[in-house]
Amino acid sequence: AQKITQTQPGMFVQEKEAVTLDCTYDTSDPSYGLFWYKQPSSGEMIFLIYQGSYDQQNATEGRYSLNFQKARKSANLVISASQLGDSAMYFCAMREGGSNYKLTFGKGTLLTVNP
Amino acid sequence: DSGVTQTPKHLITATGQRVTLRCSPRSGDLSVYWYQQSLDQGLQFLIQYYNGEERAKGNILERFSAQQFPDLHSELNLSSLELGDSALYFCASSVERGHVETQYFGPGTRLLVL
Repeated sequence: AQKITQTQPGMFVQEKEAVTLDCTYDTSDPSYGLFWYKQPSSGEMIFLIYQGSYDQQNATEGRYSLNFQKARKSANLVISASQLGDSAMYFCAMREGGSNYKLTFGKGTLLTVNP
Repeated sequence: DSGVTQTPKHLITATGQRVTLRCSPRSGDLSVYWYQQSLDQGLQFLIQYYNGEERAKGNILERFSAQQFPDLHSELNLSSLELGDSALYFCASSVERGHVETQYFGPGTRLLVL
């Protein structure tokens, strides 16, 4: 079974509008972390936001917020006031507990921001 | 700029050859991770080093090996290359602050095997 599922291969949004990118995860480990990364067409992976499994509040970083619903095992990324520069692939990733901090990635969502 | 550097940016080689990819982590980061991104497999974890020692292995082929040196830079060696090894190879480094451990990725090395 896939550990990270991103069901939207592609999304479109108008500039200045908000968009939600979906991510569901599967783990039996009570301690885990969820990450979102952005990959522009240039190829680099840019860290956006982190949510820990024990965090009581949803994480926010500027225009990025994470809608964390633990019971539903979902960690959706919300981008407010979209900008043209937000057009990129977005990856959800999970790190499970223990000393091995490897990330398991979803297949990604390609976001296109239209002017 | 994440602070992680990778060289070379691009590499074109032939099947059967051997290449070495180099990574310098962010200053102070002890952990180095290698990931492979390909169209069919997506982003996959290969191997992790922590302060010079191998800590975890993922889907790394036997033809691939890595090491982390005393100055903490790391090298990923790919040998007997096949067409299917063409991919974007990322190095990431991390440090744990409190309960949060975040990996910062380098720009990647794009490998093309012809």
